[in-house]
Amino acid sequence: NAGVTQTPKFQVLKTGQSMTLQCAQDMNHNSMYWYRQDPGMGLRLIYYSASEGTTDKGEVPNGYNVSRLNKREFSLRLESAAPSQTSVYFCASSEPPRGDYGYTFGSGTRLTVV
Amino acid sequence: AQSVTQLGSHVSVSEGALVLLRCNYSSSVPPYLFWYVQYPNQGLQLLLKYTSAATLVKGINGFEAEFKKSETSFHLTKPSAHMSDAAEYFCAVRTNNNDMRFGAGTRLTVKP
Repeated sequence: NAGVTQTPKFQVLKTGQSMTLQCAQDMNHNSMYWYRQDPGMGLRLIYYSASEGTTDKGEVPNGYNVSRLNKREFSLRLESAAPSQTSVYFCASSEPPRGDYGYTFGSGTRLTVV
Repeated sequence: AQSVTQLGSHVSVSEGALVLLRCNYSSSVPPYLFWYVQYPNQGLQLLLKYTSAATLVKGINGFEAEFKKSETSFHLTKPSAHMSDAAEYFCAVRTNNNDMRFGAGTRLTVKP
């Protein structure tokens, strides 16, 4: 099925460890996004990539880095994980020629930092 | 900057009752507005979207929303709740940067 694929689905890290969350879409969308979801706060944008070769910070970029590897793939890296980064992470993609397209979301990565 | 506010973090209705989930927006330009639904342990799915074509928007699963500029609202309704509607619902607005800003979410509980 066409869509957005995220790996891994679950991860437990120790404080200070690093990891990369992977995201790939097969809809030929230009734009990709990383959000984190925390209880009572909705989804907050970490980073986005409007097109291949570009990335921009969102609302909560501190502690994260991203790479738009190609048009399909957009990865999120935690260099030194902290307990405050315990969250559910969602990748999304869209094709916004006029801004009226909704997003297609992946199923999420549940990350726990201990 | 564009933003949305969802009124009520939890809403509980009986099966067969009207569902009303409230969303107000803030935008200096005509907004693109969205409602998403999230079932447990899943990602978000698009329910419906407003893109200025019509003020009453119909979505999937019998949901609809009405854009009211005078009230800066985009409330989500369904005439008769089903048990399967229990989920978390998010209102969202597209920003000038083409990213999406989400409300805090409303958890809908449906009682038998």
